[in-house]
Amino acid sequence: DAGITQSPRHKVTETGTPVTLRCHQTENHRYMYWYRQDPGHGLRLIHYSYGVKDTDKGEVSDGYSVSRSKTEDFLLTLESATSSQTSVYFCAISEATSYTGELFFGEGSRLTVL
Amino acid sequence: AQSVSQHNHHVILSEAASLELGCNYSYGGTVNLFWYVQYPGQHLQLLLKYFSGDPLVKGIKGFEAEFIKSKFSFNLRKPSVQWSDTAEYFCAVNAMNRDDKIIFGKGTRLHILP
Repeated sequence: DAGITQSPRHKVTETGTPVTLRCHQTENHRYMYWYRQDPGHGLRLIHYSYGVKDTDKGEVSDGYSVSRSKTEDFLLTLESATSSQTSVYFCAISEATSYTGELFFGEGSRLTVL
Repeated sequence: AQSVSQHNHHVILSEAASLELGCNYSYGGTVNLFWYVQYPGQHLQLLLKYFSGDPLVKGIKGFEAEFIKSKFSFNLRKPSVQWSDTAEYFCAVNAMNRDDKIIFGKGTRLHILP
């Protein structure tokens, strides 16, 4: 399995509090992604990164920000969590050389916003 | 923007039945196509992929998919399913020469009866 670690794996928080999820990789892959998975919606792309300090928005970026100061770490921040952000969050990485596009996923972080 | 449609949200089959899950995408240029599988309680993993060449691609565990460019389709098939195939299946597309975003369909939940 690809070396991807997500933390925390489970978190319960209250509406209005900030939350940061961390994705750490040991593969030195250039591309990193944050998806959320919700029943009936499949996986939806939140943000992605194509290099250190290079990020872009996905399909559902409102309410989320990201940062990538090192190749190995990609942080997802909810500045003020809302109940609609209760979800399972998956980090994924890809070499994306020659547009191979194959993703390797982390184990997921289950976030509950009360 | 590219999009992916999976026609079946929930499929129930008996063991040994044949399987076909539909997937259509909406990008007119060159694409990379994927099927990912998520077994209960696990993260997503790649089942098979199409980049170029033979439109009939074979993946792990006896799965195959056929790319039909004229129909913008990439349907997943398996001639005889097993109880262990119970999982959720996601079709995904990467529009080449555009960006490195990989967009997923909403998923098909497959339940195999023993």
